[in-house]
Amino acid sequence: SQKIEQNSEALNIQEGKTATLTCNYTNYSPAYLQWYRQDPGRGPVFLLLIRENEKEKRKERLKVTFDTTLKQSLFHITASQPADSATYLCALDIYSWGKFQFGAGTQVVVTP
Amino acid sequence: DGGITQSPKYLFRKEGQNVTLSCEQNLNHDAMYWYRQDPGQGLRLIYYSQIVNDFQKGDIAEGYSVSREKKESFPLTVTSAQKNPTAFYLCASSMTAGGLSGELFFGEGSRLTVL
Repeated sequence: SQKIEQNSEALNIQEGKTATLTCNYTNYSPAYLQWYRQDPGRGPVFLLLIRENEKEKRKERLKVTFDTTLKQSLFHITASQPADSATYLCALDIYSWGKFQFGAGTQVVVTP
Repeated sequence: DGGITQSPKYLFRKEGQNVTLSCEQNLNHDAMYWYRQDPGQGLRLIYYSQIVNDFQKGDIAEGYSVSREKKESFPLTVTSAQKNPTAFYLCASSMTAGGLSGELFFGEGSRLTVL
């Protein structure tokens, strides 16, 4: 079965710096990969989707890369702000069957 | 406003009782999902439905049941057979199952505690 790994340790970063999160997966490569943000006690909110034929995707201060050879996606938050503090989840839809699997998420803490 | 509504937000259950969590969406989405989230763990898929009157088991379906009689509704019943039901339950929907329109929209969650 597919295994999705994200850094379990919280990422503490100073305001203004770039936060980089990793999502690694095993076995089959998905047609696309998604990133979500989750605040404590809330449901996740969709941020970005990147397809297997795309190397990079940007949205405002967010950037996602997707390397199907390494089976890895990197998620970057540039010019980080305290409001970016949250847990970030990556998700895969194996074979595009609509059966989404999520990583455990990485907590980001941005300090002023 | 369009979205997904889960209720109740907090629920307490005695051992041996069945409880039903409500999930309603007005986004006209075809697919709906139930996930369970435990501290320090990722979301685990319980059940999902790609179309009305059809649903499939996810990775941890034992002790749970669902129905999809209406497009907008996907209730989850946590039965007494579920040995460790205390968790945060999340309902989600997407426009279609799979494909590139597969962005998930989540509700605010229901926190179930077994006393």
